[in-house]
Amino acid sequence: GAGVSQSPRYKVAKRGQDVALRCDPISGHVSLFWYQQALGQGPEFLTYFQNEAQLDKSGLPSDRFFAERPEGSVSTLKIQRTQQEDSAVYLCASSLGTGWAGELFFGEGSRLTVL
Amino acid sequence: LAKTTQPISMDSYEGQEVNITCSHNNIATNDYITWYQQFPSQGPRFIIQGYKTKVTNEVASLFIPADRKSSTLSLPRVSLSDTAVYYCLVGDMYSGGGADGLTFGKGTHLIIQP
Repeated sequence: GAGVSQSPRYKVAKRGQDVALRCDPISGHVSLFWYQQALGQGPEFLTYFQNEAQLDKSGLPSDRFFAERPEGSVSTLKIQRTQQEDSAVYLCASSLGTGWAGELFFGEGSRLTVL
Repeated sequence: LAKTTQPISMDSYEGQEVNITCSHNNIATNDYITWYQQFPSQGPRFIIQGYKTKVTNEVASLFIPADRKSSTLSLPRVSLSDTAVYYCLVGDMYSGGGADGLTFGKGTHLIIQP
């Protein structure tokens, strides 16, 4: 596609439910990043993939958060047993090279609201 | 310690030049300086990136002094549509990730008035 695509754009979950957020990066992009952005705050790093390898998951806030990119393209961020503090916009970004060299291309995000 | 420090907010008027300064006293040798722009309900968008001296593209200029402890994003002749949050990032682009290298901070909320 022309850009990074994320789905769903909006998700409402009841506390305790599991959710899955999908990211379609730009075709051919090696690096993929997930960020969490709370209201009024800057994006906070969650995890980084280089192709299918998850090289850094130091930003994942708890073991309820899990991300995968099994074939080195589409990625899924899964949140188990959602809590109200998980309410945020989840942003996915991809870049052509390794690390964040050059430009990160961001999707529009998935807004998660946990009731 | 925060890796970068930038003003929380700034105001200006249409047609003016706006300069947003970012402090990064602990910048490392391998670190690059990158600026992103974010509109409400959108993901951040890359503006410009540099290592030293001056970088210019079609939308902005980035000035980096010799000690690299600060940088200034310059937006020429702003318009209402430049109202957004601007983030300064400092990090090793080739580090392969890592929370330190990908810290956005709170950014600068730039408001452009008619």
